Amino acid sequence: DGGITQSPKYLFRKEGQNVTLSCEQNLNHDAMYWYRQDPGQGLRLIYYSQIVNDFQKGDIAEGYSVSREKKESFPLTVTSAQKNPTAFYLCASSMEGTSGNTEAFFGQGTRLTVV
Amino acid sequence: AQSVSQHNHHVILSEAASLELGCNYSYGGTVNLFWYVQYPGQHLQLLLKYFSGDPLVKGIKGFEAEFIKSKFSFNLRKPSVQWSDTAEYFCAVNTWGGSQGNLIFGKGTKLSVKP
Repeated sequence: DGGITQSPKYLFRKEGQNVTLSCEQNLNHDAMYWYRQDPGQGLRLIYYSQIVNDFQKGDIAEGYSVSREKKESFPLTVTSAQKNPTAFYLCASSMEGTSGNTEAFFGQGTRLTVV
Repeated sequence: AQSVSQHNHHVILSEAASLELGCNYSYGGTVNLFWYVQYPGQHLQLLLKYFSGDPLVKGIKGFEAEFIKSKFSFNLRKPSVQWSDTAEYFCAVNTWGGSQGNLIFGKGTKLSVKP
């Protein structure tokens, strides 16, 4: 069954702690993305990666970090520097990055709550 | 910077009413256009897409959208909505050959259909 798997579905974090959200895809897609979804804000791009070992900041990268060591995996770390981390985080992938005529496929999301 | 505007934050309709959700984007070059839908508790899924060709595109579940280049618009339509169409709808744009792997989303329109 091909798709994107995000884990965990729900995550609680204490203030001041870093936490890593997992995203794995078995679609053989080159490009992967992390979005943050807040009510009334739509989806805002945090980071994206068009190819292994390369990634770029999106519109709201401050307080987040990523790695892309394997094609299938694009973990997102929410650091203690992120001032308002409580949100719904969505991972997506697409066959190509910038100029491809391809759609993005999304995972089920991780809801992060800072307590 | 590219942006996507969705005109309505929340639309409430009765079953069998017609639907039109507005979407405008700001970018002067070639674009790919998408409508995604997020049903309650489910992940984002593609409703329809426009890459090139006929500007009237048909998607799943009886939805269609029309690309009007001169108006920078990609409005979503459905002649007769059902209760099961209750969901949040997101318009998205990516730009051809851009230097960023950007898939830009609007803020979403929540559709509530009364039975």
